[in-house]
Amino acid sequence: QQPVQSPQAVILREGEDAVINCSSSKALYSVHWYRQKHGEAPVFLMILLKGGEQKGHDKISASFNEKKQQSSLYLTASQLSYSGTYFCGTVNSGGSNYKLTFGKGTLLTVNP
Amino acid sequence: DTGVSQDPRHKITKRGQNVTFRCDPISEHNRLYWYRQTLGQGPEFLTYFQNEAQLEKSRLLSDRFSAERPKGSFSTLEIQRTEQGDSAMYLCASSPSPSGELFFGEGSRLTVL
Repeated sequence: QQPVQSPQAVILREGEDAVINCSSSKALYSVHWYRQKHGEAPVFLMILLKGGEQKGHDKISASFNEKKQQSSLYLTASQLSYSGTYFCGTVNSGGSNYKLTFGKGTLLTVNP
Repeated sequence: DTGVSQDPRHKITKRGQNVTFRCDPISEHNRLYWYRQTLGQGPEFLTYFQNEAQLEKSRLLSDRFSAERPKGSFSTLEIQRTEQGDSAMYLCASSPSPSGELFFGEGSRLTVL
């Protein structure tokens, strides 16, 4: 039931782009994305609620393919402040309680 | 808005002792989650509440773990007869709606010696 994230880690130079993927074996109602910096609590980035939905947040955007049960997070022209661990959280469809389950995370390091 | 607060922030205890963590969610948030996180891992679901009702408890949790949310406000997570494997960061999060974003507290770090 836990979503699977890939890659586990990625290293970028400032200005480069990255894609983080999140997939589930179950039909999804929604996908959340959070970023956690070392020693801090996870911070919300965005929620995708509908199949095929895309959202943007500055230079960070995401897509949700409901049929493939997948979501991708796109980071363009990365900045040093983007460094951290990115988690996707999924809510399975068909239930009524909206339990949010997180993946193991993707460690993103942006170097100067 | 003071955010989600957790207490204590750090707890060191000896194996076999009981510990209790408290979480104060953002006012009027009716959804409250407890997660456990170890180094290099994602938040692991423990349990969650809708107001005062506990909706689900992880099957991974033994009976040593119990959580309450009396009156749908603050919540407590108690671990009885702690074991070294319980050492982790315990995160609390609240949400204004079942499908809404989660607001996390700073966490309570437990070290069991």
